[in-house]
Amino acid sequence: DIQMTQSPSTLSASVGDRVTITCRASQSLSSWLAWYQQKPGKAPKLLIYDASNLDSGVPSRFSGDGYGTEFTLTISSLQPDDFATYYCQQYNDYFRTFGQGTKVEIK
Amino acid sequence: QLQLQESGPGLVKPSETLSLTCTVSGGSINSSNFYWGWIRQPPGKGLEWIGSIYYSGTAYYNPSLKSRVMISLDTSKNQFSLELSSVTAADTAVYFCARDVVTIFGRGNWFDPWGQGTPVTVSS
Repeated sequence: DIQMTQSPSTLSASVGDRVTITCRASQSLSSWLAWYQQKPGKAPKLLIYDASNLDSGVPSRFSGDGYGTEFTLTISSLQPDDFATYYCQQYNDYFRTFGQGTKVEIK
Repeated sequence: QLQLQESGPGLVKPSETLSLTCTVSGGSINSSNFYWGWIRQPPGKGLEWIGSIYYSGTAYYNPSLKSRVMISLDTSKNQFSLELSSVTAADTAVYFCARDVVTIFGRGNWFDPWGQGTPVTVSS
């Protein structure tokens, strides 16, 4: 199976900060990667698919980049609603796997 | 707007079978553009894909769970279901159902939208 590793595990930031989360895969994914946002007690919400395509309705302050084994999710100006846990997920293989998550906390 | 809702017992005894149903509203599961999947999240931990099923009945599963999992669907009720046998405490988790979007590879890719999730505890 393809192992997904996110860094950092926890990120402390302030409103207005630019934050970047990294996701690394154990083998090449081409562009077959999605990002999700999850708030406590809620289901994950799709943010980005195909590494860089923003899902409908997702604010433009979110962006995704990367190819192969290294990917990033960037929030250009952190808003109060963005404090949550973020997960990457690969779909290069039928056996879909997720990163362990990155929690974005208020500094 | 497509919505998914999980239902089923919140408590299952060890060695028994966990059974959950996902009811889909606002759209049909009888579509060639989507699979329908189950994902779980143990308390305080990350996400694990369990398996997905196509409208034709074709299903595929997480290899680590394959021997214990069965996913089925009932197109007349617009529902799909999960059965996980021989459960242990390690199967305690919130279980989510989700639409599994098909683009490349002719199989599921990403999950959108998700149901709200249902907690299941395995305990005697």
